[in-house]
Amino acid sequence: NAGVTQTPKFRVLKTGQSMTLLCAQDMNHEYMYWYRQDPGMGLRLIHYSVGEGTTAKGEVPDGYNVSRLKKQNFLLGLESAAPSQTSVYFCASRQTGISNQPQHFGDGTRLSIL
Amino acid sequence: TQLLEQSPQFLSIQEGENLTVYCNSSSVFSSLQWYRQEPGEGPVLLVTVVTGGEVKKLKRLTFQFGDARKDSSLHITAAQPGDTGLYLCAGGSNYKLTFGKGTLLTVNP
Repeated sequence: NAGVTQTPKFRVLKTGQSMTLLCAQDMNHEYMYWYRQDPGMGLRLIHYSVGEGTTAKGEVPDGYNVSRLKKQNFLLGLESAAPSQTSVYFCASRQTGISNQPQHFGDGTRLSIL
Repeated sequence: TQLLEQSPQFLSIQEGENLTVYCNSSSVFSSLQWYRQEPGEGPVLLVTVVTGGEVKKLKRLTFQFGDARKDSSLHITAAQPGDTGLYLCAGGSNYKLTFGKGTLLTVNP
């Protein structure tokens, strides 16, 4: 059982380039989340989805877009990468929106923007 | 905006010592979760507390949720090197989690 899988694991981009981060979960979870983790800042929510075909903004959505065309996949896009977007990105999923359920995290994508 | 303040930010102790990590907020949460994260990996859930005043024990770890559901603590007894990691508290509300900035714990042999 793979759980939550993120691809790629590492990526280096130049300023202005675009890319898409893929998150896939095999647990049939309804809710999916994208976070970024920066030193001293903890985990900050970028965007989330409460089901297939839905997306919503989190705490730090600017510069990012997302899509949830299939229930098992949640894509995070950077249209024009900026050095401020250098971070570790984590995807998570949860069975429902009930807050006492666990979020299951992938192992992250380490992204550097030069 | 709901905020969770964790303290201390860094903690370095010797094997066998006890420690407490605190998580405080001015907001009420419907639940509070503690996660542990190791280098190169995503956070993994340790425990969820939902009732004010609730205490949960997980081997040498004791978690407490404040009576007003605004704060929580994590106490580790007789810490071991295997306890080393980043401990994150997260408050639950409106389908989302708000994370604290974390406590980086190092337990030296």
